[in-house]
Amino acid sequence: GAVVSQHPSRVICKSGTSVKIECRSLDFQATTMFWYRQFPKQSLMLMATSNEGSKATYEQGVEKDKFLINHASLTLSTLTVTSAHPEDSSFYICSAKGQGLNQPQHFGDGTRLSIL
Amino acid sequence: GQQVMQIPQYQHVQEGEDFTTYCNSSTTLSNIQWYKQRPGGHPVFLIQLVKSGEVKKQKRLTFQFGEAKKNSSLHITATQTTDVGTYFCAVNFNKFYFGSGTKLNVKP
Repeated sequence: GAVVSQHPSRVICKSGTSVKIECRSLDFQATTMFWYRQFPKQSLMLMATSNEGSKATYEQGVEKDKFLINHASLTLSTLTVTSAHPEDSSFYICSAKGQGLNQPQHFGDGTRLSIL
Repeated sequence: GQQVMQIPQYQHVQEGEDFTTYCNSSTTLSNIQWYKQRPGGHPVFLIQLVKSGEVKKQKRLTFQFGEAKKNSSLHITATQTTDVGTYFCAVNFNKFYFGSGTKLNVKP
């Protein structure tokens, strides 16, 4: 099946640090990638949708300048949490979807971000 | 706002008992997808339903899409401990929105 690789799997860093998370589709071209945030025991909250070569579409309440998304190629999207603070600590998961209306999402393993 | 409601939030069953989770939308859906997330893991795609009244089976799992395409259910027959996890439905309104999930715990 389709494979999506997400790195790093865990990050622990000091407040004020910027953290970059990578999401790669390994065996298919991902025309669309999604970034989610998941708090403990809660559902996935869509943060933004990114399409290759264009600006990401952010969900209401998600700060564009705080969560920078770049989708430079059909196989790579990055999420940068800028000047991270403890309240940004969470589980971030990316997913990738191929071209086509009814294609499923394939998820990365997620990144657990802890800001001290 | 929330696009789809999912119930129940939690379900504890004895191994061998059946389990069902439901998703309901106020609007007609083009399709609905189901995912399973094991504790500490990421969501894994299970199935997609597209047609009105569609029923699909995967071994002990039965997925249904309502006639009006506004609701869906996932039923597990004779649960096993390997079924433990959170089951999410997801709907596509040009972007994906996940239901709140149903966490299933199976006692051996």
